[in-house]
Amino acid sequence: AQKITQTQPGMFVQEKEAVTLDCTYDTSDPSYGLFWYKQPSSGEMIFLIYQGSYDQQNATEGRYSLNFQKARKSANLVISASQLGDSAMYFCAMRGPRDGQNFVFGPGTRLSVLP
Amino acid sequence: DGGITQSPKYLFRKEGQNVTLSCEQNLNHDAMYWYRQDPGQGLRLIYYSQIVNDFQKGDIAEGYSVSREKKESFPLTVTSAQKNPTAFYLCASSPGQGVIMNTEAFFGQGTRLTVV
Repeated sequence: AQKITQTQPGMFVQEKEAVTLDCTYDTSDPSYGLFWYKQPSSGEMIFLIYQGSYDQQNATEGRYSLNFQKARKSANLVISASQLGDSAMYFCAMRGPRDGQNFVFGPGTRLSVLP
Repeated sequence: DGGITQSPKYLFRKEGQNVTLSCEQNLNHDAMYWYRQDPGQGLRLIYYSQIVNDFQKGDIAEGYSVSREKKESFPLTVTSAQKNPTAFYLCASSPGQGVIMNTEAFFGQGTRLTVV
């Protein structure tokens, strides 16, 4: 089965600084998708960014970018210019044919932005 | 507005009772999912359905049941066989197998279930 690893249970970042949240994945599928979600304390899951396994360029969405290193099987999320509202849980997820195209989630990283 | 609606937002269950969590979507998505989230943890897949009248067990299906009689609806029943049901339950949907992997899952607001 596919697996997502997020090795940072918690991270702190100063407001206005950049932060990188780590994500590594394990799959033997040649084609797959990688996703990042934000979960604030309210519990809703907010989709942030997507990276396809065949995409040549790293994905970017506003202040979010994905550092995709396919050979290392890593898909780290970079948040630039952190804001207090970025404090939340962040989940990395994968979707591929081996798990019936279901979404497999990592354990998450809790990000705290300090004023 | 298109989206996924879960109800109720909070649910209290007495031990030995079955309870049903509602999940409705108007996104015309084929695939629907139920996840369980324990405090400080990730999401674990309970059941999923790729098409009407068909569903499959996920990683932690014991003590849960589902139905998929309509494309829009995927209710989850937490049965008395589920010994530790207190958790946050999230329903999600996405376009089905014909539309692949670059489409994210859309989530409802969640139901917080507590056993009293």
